[in-house]
Amino acid sequence: EIVLTQSPGTLSLSPGERATLSCRASQSVSSSYLAWYQQKPGQAPRLFMYGAYNRATGIPDRFSGSGSGTDFTLTISRLEPEDFGVYYCQQYGSSPITFGQGTRLEIK
Amino acid sequence: QVQLVESGGGVVQPGGSLRLSCAASGFTFSSYGMNWVRQAPGKGLEWVAFIRYDGSNKYYADSVKGRFIISRDNSKNTLYLQMNSLRAEDTAVYYCAKDSTGGNWGYYFDYWGQGTLVTVSS
Repeated sequence: EIVLTQSPGTLSLSPGERATLSCRASQSVSSSYLAWYQQKPGQAPRLFMYGAYNRATGIPDRFSGSGSGTDFTLTISRLEPEDFGVYYCQQYGSSPITFGQGTRLEIK
Repeated sequence: QVQLVESGGGVVQPGGSLRLSCAASGFTFSSYGMNWVRQAPGKGLEWVAFIRYDGSNKYYADSVKGRFIISRDNSKNTLYLQMNSLRAEDTAVYYCAKDSTGGNWGYYFDYWGQGTLVTVSS
């Protein structure tokens, strides 16, 4: 099973700042089958990125994904108030599908 | 628009059973794989099970294998999760999630329902 470790656990930033979220895999994620989701309190997760760097429908271009192998990054170039929440990475290249433990992005 | 609506959650005693349903609309249900994903209170996401678009392939997390059964009725656009021998650690919000493809295995999940809470407690 591929274990995904996200860092930092919590990120406190102000609107307008740049955010960098990391997701590290215990072994290589094949074909960059790595997705990112955002979850807000009381809501279901929402797909943000897939294939490591492809934005999902409706996701603004201030979000970008990068990485391959075992190291992946989600970058938000300039934070907007609606960007705050918990972000999870997920790998779907190997069985079983696994998620990271999440990074909480909060308003400073 | 795609809609996924879960139902069937509730309180059940340890060792008991429960069946969850997920009613789908807004897309061709019979063309896509479907998943169940759960989230224990205050915790992260855990993938539970996948079923292929035609029901021919099913996969489970080790934590539920032999106790949970995923199924679907394409004529009713409905996904199910039969949960048996429930344990306290199965307490979670259960989400149904549409797979992004019609392939043999789960990929990423492009739509999620709002979830249904299952509480296993005596």
